[in-house]
Amino acid sequence: AQRVTQPEKLLSVFKGAPVELKCNYSYSGSPELFWYVQYSRQRLQLLLRHISRESIKGFTADLNKGETSFHLKKPFAQEEDSAMYYCALLTSGSRLTFGEGTQLTVNP
Amino acid sequence: EAGVAQSPRYKIIEKRQSVAFWCNPISGHATLYWYQQILGQGPKLLIQFQNNGVVDDSQLPKDRFSAERLKGVDSTLKIQPAKLEDSAVYLCASSSYAGTEAFFGQGTRLTVV
Repeated sequence: AQRVTQPEKLLSVFKGAPVELKCNYSYSGSPELFWYVQYSRQRLQLLLRHISRESIKGFTADLNKGETSFHLKKPFAQEEDSAMYYCALLTSGSRLTFGEGTQLTVNP
Repeated sequence: EAGVAQSPRYKIIEKRQSVAFWCNPISGHATLYWYQQILGQGPKLLIQFQNNGVVDDSQLPKDRFSAERLKGVDSTLKIQPAKLEDSAVYLCASSSYAGTEAFFGQGTRLTVV
């Protein structure tokens, strides 16, 4: 069965520091992975997807099939990055499965 | 473009009562999802529609939850009767077709007392 694990519920960094939000998945097929973000009082929205291999708001994520990971990284965190981040896995049955989420706080 | 609309935003009911949530997806989106998000947890898929057909309802508690998507557009999710553990935010999302970006509504926060 497909599963997404985000080991950190809470992550706190200082402004300007690097940040890495961890995501591991289990799925026997060919995965497609996403990062969704929810800013305070806003709806859940797509941040980036591995297939596009682009940087959004300075964030990047690389799919590592060997380690079954899709960690989200940003070299210099900003206060406006404070939000809830969810890793999500799309399987061949078109089911979109979310992890438990990581609350990122960027301190001034 | 207009986003996914959900109503009501908040609902408080007593256990054993019934409740219904409504979702209007983005125009033209064929895929519609209902998720349940319990406080402190990630969204859990309840049911997925492709047009007006059910693609996946394996995690829907069918003894008390039901959902329909009439004419492949709007959708309603019903709980009858509600239990205390149903307290959660119910999220509706839509995508142009399965596998593309899912757009989420604001959610309905249900409190069962």
